[in-house]
Amino acid sequence: DAGVIQSPRHEVTEMGQEVTLRCKPISGHNSLFWYRQTMMRGLELLIYFNNNVPIDDSGMPEDRFSAKMPNASFSTLKIQPSEPRDSAVYFCASSLWDGEQFFGPGTRLTVL
Amino acid sequence: AQSVAQPEDQVNVAEGNPLTVKCTYSVSGNPYLFWYVQYPNRGLQFLLKYITGDNLVKGSYGFEAEFNKSQTSFHLKKPSALVSDSALYFCAVRDVSGGYQKVTFGTGTKLQVIP
Repeated sequence: DAGVIQSPRHEVTEMGQEVTLRCKPISGHNSLFWYRQTMMRGLELLIYFNNNVPIDDSGMPEDRFSAKMPNASFSTLKIQPSEPRDSAVYFCASSLWDGEQFFGPGTRLTVL
Repeated sequence: AQSVAQPEDQVNVAEGNPLTVKCTYSVSGNPYLFWYVQYPNRGLQFLLKYITGDNLVKGSYGFEAEFNKSQTSFHLKKPSALVSDSALYFCAVRDVSGGYQKVTFGTGTKLQVIP
């Protein structure tokens, strides 16, 4: 298996633009997680899905953030409009029943 | 509710010496416990986990961790540190009584192995 795949790996955009981050989980995993990592706040859970259903989105910082999982093999995290304080590394992870999570390589987002 | 604490932001150890990275947890039921490592500009990588059974868990790269239920701890250890072990280490916990796979991560401990 190729592991968790994220795209793009790097994204540079201007304030106010829409940003879409993509994730392909490991085949057969039934849970998917979106995290954000910054020096100031560390690793933060934004949202997670179980069997494609959003379970807990309490970590989503604002209404500008939205996430979807239309099927078991694909998820998106969208920021609209983006702001400089959204600059961070965004990780996607997937897991099976025991909670051992497999992380993707991350998307480094820079909002100018 | 579940939580995990890593009391040390940074641990420094000389190469060849034993290392310990501390972790304590809080859950209402029984825990699943994990350690992850993150190298610069990389995602988190799984090191080891405790689900049930033997309290001493062995993982990747010579690391091990001991589950101590009475002290609610799951410290990461290695007998002899390598410079290449220098990285950011995260402890994580999942409450088994929870219906989903949500895992709570600690704030991370930076391990610096000094040559």
